[in-house]
Amino acid sequence: SAVISQKPSRDICQRGTSLTIQCQVDSQVTMMFWYRQQPGQSLTLIATANQGSEATYESGFVIDKFPISRPNLTFSTLTVSNMSPEDSSIYLCSVEARGRADTQYFGPGTRLTVL
Amino acid sequence: EDKVVQSPLSLVVHEGDTVTLNCSYEVTNFRSLLWYKQEKKAPTFLFMLTSSGIEKKSGRLSSILDKKELFSILNITATQTGDSAIYLCAVLWPGANNLFFGTGTRLTVIP
Repeated sequence: SAVISQKPSRDICQRGTSLTIQCQVDSQVTMMFWYRQQPGQSLTLIATANQGSEATYESGFVIDKFPISRPNLTFSTLTVSNMSPEDSSIYLCSVEARGRADTQYFGPGTRLTVL
Repeated sequence: EDKVVQSPLSLVVHEGDTVTLNCSYEVTNFRSLLWYKQEKKAPTFLFMLTSSGIEKKSGRLSSILDKKELFSILNITATQTGDSAIYLCAVLWPGANNLFFGTGTRLTVIP
């Protein structure tokens, strides 16, 4: 399975500020996914990030609020912009497992609290 | 609208008990159903099921899919306190690459 790391592990931020979350994979992957898990809720996909193209956002998520970069096949960032307390969540990146189509492995997650 | 529904929402059992967690879904034509265990932040992959009636097994955990009745179950035998977690079921729809998650079942195993 791929080894995925995320930074930061957690952060506490003030409303109105922005936070950029990094996701690093130890092998090249075509697709990377960003999910959000609000308190007491399940995971919801924010966007799919392919290298060399614009991210594809799910309904309810927009690029201005959650800009994503995918500069190469092992790295992606998600920015949570102009944060409000409603953005307090766990943010997770995932990748499709090499050689195991349809199986996704998740990074350790970033716990964000917005005051 | 809920397309992936898990039950029960929460469950408390004693060590040594056997538990069965349920996942039902609406779409008849799907690619895969996956089970994950979430202890802190990151979901850990358990099983992927694509064929009906074939049981996947790993130690005390097993899972099976019923495509006709549109559900899957996850069984845990001889539960241990380390099994305490949220168990998530997720489905891959046709033509999609992302997972659609259910609400999860919070399992608590008490000594």
